[in-house]
Amino acid sequence: AQKITQTQPGMFVQEKEAVTLDCTYDTSDPSYGLFWYKQPSSGEMIFLIYQGSYDQQNATEGRYSLNFQKARKSANLVISASQLGDSAMYFCAMREGQGSGAGSYQLTFGKGTKLSVIP
Amino acid sequence: ETGVTQTPRHLVMGMTNKKSLKCEQHLGHNAMYWYKQSAKKPLELMFVYNFKEQTENNSVPSRFSPECPNSSHLFLHLHTLQPEDSALYLCASSQVMGQGTLHFGNGTRLTVT
Repeated sequence: AQKITQTQPGMFVQEKEAVTLDCTYDTSDPSYGLFWYKQPSSGEMIFLIYQGSYDQQNATEGRYSLNFQKARKSANLVISASQLGDSAMYFCAMREGQGSGAGSYQLTFGKGTKLSVIP
Repeated sequence: ETGVTQTPRHLVMGMTNKKSLKCEQHLGHNAMYWYKQSAKKPLELMFVYNFKEQTENNSVPSRFSPECPNSSHLFLHLHTLQPEDSALYLCASSQVMGQGTLHFGNGTRLTVT
């Protein structure tokens, strides 16, 4: 079974509108972290936002916020006031465990969502 | 100067060639990683180095040979590759292995002919 599922291969959003990119995850570990990365056409993976499994509040970073619904095992990324420069691939990723032990430091990535912002 | 720098940005090589990918990080991190990104597949972790020591080899074929001479530099030596090895190869680093955020380079787009 996939550990990270991103069901939207591609999304379109009008400039200045908000958009939600979906991410669901699968883990039995009570301790985990969820990440979102942005990959422009240049190739670099840019870290956007992080949510820990024990964090009480949803993470926010500027125009990015993470809609964390633990019971549903979803960690959707919300981008407010979309800009043309937001057009890119977006990847959700998860790290399980406390960061110790074999393999527990590995980030598992989803297949990504391609976001296109329309002027 | 970006935090993680990869060279070259693009590489085309024949199956009998030997080439190397280079990664350098200026962040003072202690862990470095090689990832492979193939079309329409999730990123795959290849190798992990922690304080210059290899701690993970994710069943990578021996035609890929990593080298980490110090905590700031990471190489991926390539020889007798196959066309299916064509992909974007991304280097990343983190302060501590298994914790914190991964910082990625721009990647090397490799084409094997």
